[in-house]
Amino acid sequence: AQKVTQAQTEISVVEKEDVTLDCVYETRDTTYYLFWYKQPPSGELVFLIRRNSFDEQNEISGRYSWNFQKSTSSFNFTITASQVVDSAVYFCALSEAEGGSYIPTFGRGTSLIVHP
Amino acid sequence: NAGVTQTPKFRVLKTGQSMTLLCAQDMNHEYMYWYRQDPGMGLRLIHYSVGEGTTAKGEVPDGYNVSRLKKQNFLLGLESAAPSQTSVYFCASSRTDLGRRTYEQYFGPGTRLTVT
Repeated sequence: AQKVTQAQTEISVVEKEDVTLDCVYETRDTTYYLFWYKQPPSGELVFLIRRNSFDEQNEISGRYSWNFQKSTSSFNFTITASQVVDSAVYFCALSEAEGGSYIPTFGRGTSLIVHP
Repeated sequence: NAGVTQTPKFRVLKTGQSMTLLCAQDMNHEYMYWYRQDPGMGLRLIHYSVGEGTTAKGEVPDGYNVSRLKKQNFLLGLESAAPSQTSVYFCASSRTDLGRRTYEQYFGPGTRLTVT
């Protein structure tokens, strides 16, 4: 079973629409970290946010917001008033210590296309 | 700080040739990783290292070897390149918490390798 599931393979929106990227994870560890990364068409991978399992406060950074819910094992990412520059592949990742593996697990990514 | 750098950025090999990809980080991170990214496959871990002088296999290690002789460098070798190794290769590094869970990863710009 996948430890990090990004069920949306591709999302297409028109500029100024709000869009939410889903991320569902699985772990039995009580301490873990969740991340979002952005990969624009230029190819580089950029770290966006880290969330500690003990901190369920939602976070907002400009047009970006993240909703962490332990009850549903989800860490969703919302872009408000999307722009063409938001077009990218977005990866969700989990870091835990379960099973002695300390290596992050990535989801398969969601490709977001924002049309002008 | 240069962060994570990769050499070379592009390379074309003929089947059977060998090459080494170099990754360097200046953040004093313990953990380093090599990933490959193919269309629609997300990021797949090839090998990783949790410290100088140690390496371990990831999800897709066949056909690759690695070495970490110095903390700041992580080398990926292809002894006999095959067309199936045509891909974009990313190096990354990260620090960890006291429980060895990784914090966010910092990625290099990638190496685009074509094997003909």
